[in-house]
Amino acid sequence: GENVEQHPSTLSVQEGDSAVIKCTYSDSASNYFPWYKQELGKGPQLIIDIRSNVGEKKDQRIAVTLNKTAKHFSLHITETQPEDSAVYFCAASMARDDKIIFGKGTRLHILP
Amino acid sequence: ETGVTQSPTHLIKTRGQQVTLRCSSQSGHNTVSWYQQALGQGPQFIFQYYREEENGRGNFPPRFSGLQFPNYSSELNVNALELDDSALYLCASSRGRTDTQYFGPGTRLTVL
Repeated sequence: GENVEQHPSTLSVQEGDSAVIKCTYSDSASNYFPWYKQELGKGPQLIIDIRSNVGEKKDQRIAVTLNKTAKHFSLHITETQPEDSAVYFCAASMARDDKIIFGKGTRLHILP
Repeated sequence: ETGVTQSPTHLIKTRGQQVTLRCSSQSGHNTVSWYQQALGQGPQFIFQYYREEENGRGNFPPRFSGLQFPNYSSELNVNALELDDSALYLCASSRGRTDTQYFGPGTRLTVL
């Protein structure tokens, strides 16, 4: 079955700097890659997603890139702000409504 | 439009007992998926219900069972609770087979 690896497990960046989180997946049949942000005491919130026929997608300060050949995908957050502090999960799925396989998460700390 | 809601928010049970968790899907959504999130880990897929039928199951034993009702709300039942069942239980709903999954806030289950 699908396996998603995520790095790093913890990331600290100065406010205003960029943060990058990297993931790899194992099943070449996966074609939908969502990213979730989870704050303390809350469920995961979808922040951006990308399908396998697209190499890059951007939404304001957040961008995702996908290398389907290498089975790598990454999340880039620019101009980080204190409210970006949270746990971020990458995930892979066959389709938007199919079971989602999550990575283990990255705890992002934005330092003042 | 209301989001996904779950009840109760917290629950404490003892080993061997049975528990029922409830999820109300977002308005207009007919698909509900359940996930288990252990502390410090990513969510793991338990099963999915589509129009009241089970539509896929993860690697969980039969003592994890579920239901979906005509109004598309759902229940997760766990029998013979074990200490390792302590986790945050999340449900996610979607409009159908082509839509994104949206998560509820979760139910925190503690098994003593």
